[in-house]
Amino acid sequence: EAGVTQFPSHSVIEKGQTVTLRCDPISGHDNLYWYRRVMGKEIKFLLHFVKESKQDESGMPNNRFLAERTGGTYSTLKVQPAELEDSGVYFCASSQGLAKETQYFGPGTRLLVL
Amino acid sequence: QQQVKQSPQSLIVQKGGISIINCAYENTAFDYFPWYQQFPGKGPALLIAIRPDVSEKKEGRFTISFNKSAKQFSLHIMDSQPGDSATYFCAASKGRTSGSRLTFGEGTQLTVNP
Repeated sequence: EAGVTQFPSHSVIEKGQTVTLRCDPISGHDNLYWYRRVMGKEIKFLLHFVKESKQDESGMPNNRFLAERTGGTYSTLKVQPAELEDSGVYFCASSQGLAKETQYFGPGTRLLVL
Repeated sequence: QQQVKQSPQSLIVQKGGISIINCAYENTAFDYFPWYQQFPGKGPALLIAIRPDVSEKKEGRFTISFNKSAKQFSLHIMDSQPGDSATYFCAASKGRTSGSRLTFGEGTQLTVNP
């Protein structure tokens, strides 16, 4: 069974540019989460999808971040325009259902904004 | 306000020794406490988890000790091996009723010397 995949693995962009991160969860997992780790700090929750609906987006830092989950399958996280403080590792995780808490993480996308 | 505090930030242990990582939490609504292990270039992977109705859980060389009254929990790695060298994150969530978003500690970089 394939795990959670993320693309790209690395991205280096200039301040003001746009970047789109993609996450493919484990097949059949209704729950999809985005997290971010900045500069060796804690991994912070960004948002949670249940199928195609946003269940909780309270962790999104501001309106420069837009997440979508098309048809309840893969998800994208767009940052527009990117700022220096957006640099970090963006993780996606998925889980099978609310009754099963185990979240399976992807390898992350390392974003560097210059 | 950081809801889960983890220490130490880094830890060096000799092969065969015991590694101990501590976490403390604020929110008494947390009811699920997982530990994640992350190797370089990989995403965090669930190592072991505990619920507050038990004080200890052991899986192989890994043990979680949980102190509900003190709002603290710790990971003990017995007979530490060089292959255990990784970053360890403690986390907490409110479990089934709240979408299982994870609140992480800052991570501990463990190095096990041969």
